[in-house]
Amino acid sequence: DAGVTQSPTHLIKTRGQQVTLRCSPKSGHDTVSWYQQALGQGPQFIFQYYEEEERQRGNFPDRFSGHQFPNYSSELNVNALLLGDSALYLCASSFQTGGRNEQFFGPGTRLTVL
Amino acid sequence: QQQVKQSPQSLIVQKGGISIINCAYENTAFDYFPWYQQFPGKGPALLIAIRPDVSEKKEGRFTISFNKSAKQFSLHIMDSQPGDSATYFCAASGGYQKVTFGTGTKLQVIP
Repeated sequence: DAGVTQSPTHLIKTRGQQVTLRCSPKSGHDTVSWYQQALGQGPQFIFQYYEEEERQRGNFPDRFSGHQFPNYSSELNVNALLLGDSALYLCASSFQTGGRNEQFFGPGTRLTVL
Repeated sequence: QQQVKQSPQSLIVQKGGISIINCAYENTAFDYFPWYQQFPGKGPALLIAIRPDVSEKKEGRFTISFNKSAKQFSLHIMDSQPGDSATYFCAASGGYQKVTFGTGTKLQVIP
């Protein structure tokens, strides 16, 4: 049983560009959350998707958007990249319908903005 | 506004010793308190978690102590091993499972 998978592993972009990160949740999970982790910091919640809709959003600008597909996989899109967007982007999946709060994280995508 | 405060920022423990990491929260709506372990270049891995209806939970060498009235909880790692060297995050969540993380504690266990 595969855990949470993310692609790509690493990504280098320049300021102003757009990026799309992908996440496949753990088998049986229906909820995907995205987090940004700057170097030396704890993960910061970006948003959460359930039933293909954004259910909750953290304090991130509209440049950050996402999508969830019918198979529960998800994408994170960031437009007009800034140097400060350089971070490890983490996807976490959970089983909302089961009423449990356990979130399982993927290995992350390391984004570098030059 | 930071809702989960974690200390210390770094910790050095002798092999076989006890590692203790403390956290405090503000939001009384939190009802789930997990601890995550993160190795360099990896995503956080769920280590152990507790709900506020119990005061202590033990899994192997890892124990969470929870004080609801003080809004504090802590992680104890007994018989610390070099393989435990990692960054540990306390966290809290409620409602729709948004997880709020502490700032992390970098643990180094020396032989």
